[in-house]
Amino acid sequence: KNEVEQSPQNLTAQEGEFITINCSYSVGISALHWLQQHPGGGIVSLFMLSSGKKKHGRLIATINIQEKHSSLHITASHPRDSAVYICAVRDTGNQFYFGTGTSLTVIP
Amino acid sequence: DSGVTQTPKHLITATGQRVTLRCSPRSGDLSVYWYQQSLDQGLQFLIQYYNGEERAKGNILERFSAQQFPDLHSELNLSSLELGDSALYFCASSVGGLNYEQYFGPGTRLTVT
Repeated sequence: KNEVEQSPQNLTAQEGEFITINCSYSVGISALHWLQQHPGGGIVSLFMLSSGKKKHGRLIATINIQEKHSSLHITASHPRDSAVYICAVRDTGNQFYFGTGTSLTVIP
Repeated sequence: DSGVTQTPKHLITATGQRVTLRCSPRSGDLSVYWYQQSLDQGLQFLIQYYNGEERAKGNILERFSAQQFPDLHSELNLSSLELGDSALYFCASSVGGLNYEQYFGPGTRLTVT
């Protein structure tokens, strides 16, 4: 049983497209994280949120606590957005659970 | 560059051996987190320290131990290594506790042969 489920597993988009990655979780959470992992392996934390919506540049993250669902949106996608996007939650007992990631490829 | 450093970058060792991975957090960060990423298990949270004290514990095996020193750097010790311990080990740091954004180091790739 996976506490965090992401969809889709793989995503290919044309440059400029609007992209949505979804994350559903089954535990009560204190916070949800969106991480980006580039092909070289490095991880960058994109967002940490516990309610509502956050925006950084072309990236937007939303969370619906009642529905236990979060989405990561990328507007005007670019080839440099190609990476694996990982959803992670921290539950109320301070345990972390990770999704298996969404592999995004943006084609020029 | 996140400001978090990890050494070594790569480590190859044999089963049964013991290794130490080192992490230096960003200047001013008090928390250090350790994660393991393997092909079959994905990312897993191991342990968190805040200002020298253990604050949260995840799926850390008994063969593994960690500590955070007074200068805030941290070490993860892995002993009696098994083939399944081969993975990327990431360290992250944050200025405060669990409610603060984490900054990840580049990782240490451990290969157990």
